[in-house]
Amino acid sequence: DTEVTQTPKHLVMGMTNKKSLKCEQHMGHRAMYWYKQKAKKPPELMFVYSYEKLSINESVPSRFSPECPNSSLLNLHLHALQPEDSALYLCASSQPRTLRQETQYFGPGTRLLVL
Amino acid sequence: SQQGEEDPQALSIQEGENATMNCSYKTSINNLQWYRQNSGRGLVHLILIRSNEREKHSGRLRVTLDTSKKSSSLLITASRAADTASYFCATRTGTASKLTFGTGTRLQVTL
Repeated sequence: DTEVTQTPKHLVMGMTNKKSLKCEQHMGHRAMYWYKQKAKKPPELMFVYSYEKLSINESVPSRFSPECPNSSLLNLHLHALQPEDSALYLCASSQPRTLRQETQYFGPGTRLLVL
Repeated sequence: SQQGEEDPQALSIQEGENATMNCSYKTSINNLQWYRQNSGRGLVHLILIRSNEREKHSGRLRVTLDTSKKSSSLLITASRAADTASYFCATRTGTASKLTFGTGTRLQVTL
């Protein structure tokens, strides 16, 4: 199974809502990532988890809160978002760099619209 | 900040022609990877080239890396309509498990 799944596919939320994005992989990867991608722009890294521990936070605002409950799951909790946070949110997984298997496998993304 | 700049930003060719995309980056790298993204969907890994390699092939793909010029190119031979997508280079630097993506090239292959 070389698939990364993300739910939901689409999400519309108001600025006062709380919602969560979910990501799952069953490839035994121990590194998982959240990216944000605006239209016609490259993905921008938000967070990296390695062995279920947060290893990189790219100075992301606290209204985005990541969580890695186990090695297969990655969540992104959203609260009090702004309209400029509307984007495609991509999850990815890989083996950690120490294993020199550095290909990242991406999910299809969640398209988020903040009203 | 973005590590890589890609050119051209957009490329339109006919089926059967070759497509070449270029990527330049700013700092020393461990490896450089190319990814494809179909419209509004996830990215798919195409090929990885390490800093001590100069050229690599995979099917219709040929990647070159020139570390002295801090640049890479991706050649797609005998293009097909299904190759229509955005193509991103991505670099890994230092000890962190992170990739930094280039600005991307949007390729359109017409019949």
